[in-house]
Amino acid sequence: KNQVEQSPQSLIILEGKNCTLQCNYTVSPFSNLRWYKQDTGRGPVSLTIMTFSENTKSNGRYTATLDADTKQSSLHITASQLSDSASYICVVSSDSNYQLIWGAGTKLIIKP
Amino acid sequence: NAGVTQTPKFRILKIGQSMTLQCAQDMNHNYMYWYRQDPGMGLKLIYYSVGAGITDKGEVPNGYNVSRSTTEDFPLRLELAAPSQTSVYFCASSYSKGDTEAFFGQGTRLTVV
Repeated sequence: KNQVEQSPQSLIILEGKNCTLQCNYTVSPFSNLRWYKQDTGRGPVSLTIMTFSENTKSNGRYTATLDADTKQSSLHITASQLSDSASYICVVSSDSNYQLIWGAGTKLIIKP
Repeated sequence: NAGVTQTPKFRILKIGQSMTLQCAQDMNHNYMYWYRQDPGMGLKLIYYSVGAGITDKGEVPNGYNVSRSTTEDFPLRLELAAPSQTSVYFCASSYSKGDTEAFFGQGTRLTVV
């Protein structure tokens, strides 16, 4: 069964610290993996996309990695800011259809 | 630059009532989607559309209906509301098929009592 699992479920860190969020998937065939940020009361917004051939991609203070062999991705946030408080959702797309498989998200809280 | 606009933002329904959630996008996207998001769960696809006049069921379509008469609008109809339909509903659109970036509305928080 196609699944996307994210860990941890929630995370609290102090402002300025780094953190890493994990995403494991069992989706096959694989097309791409996207990380979304969802602020409270808002819809998700895309942060970055990882395709099969990409290992690492940075977007400002966000760095995503993908290991297609182990079917794992991570999102590393550097020098966290209060505005990083949000849910971060991993979504995997299968080549075979329009279906997107959504993870449940990691709720990140940044404390001053 | 509105993007995807959903209305209403909040709604309380009684069991058995019906309502329509409105969704409009101004990006000329062919693909539109309706999702529901339950606490602690990933988004579940209810219905999607690949263009005006074409709709198809997603993962959890029971209790819902959609129509797509124009490229811009994709309303979601709830008939005979049930407590299990209490959720946050998101409309989204994308330029191409499901693996391209989706742009989301702000969501509709629906409570059925």
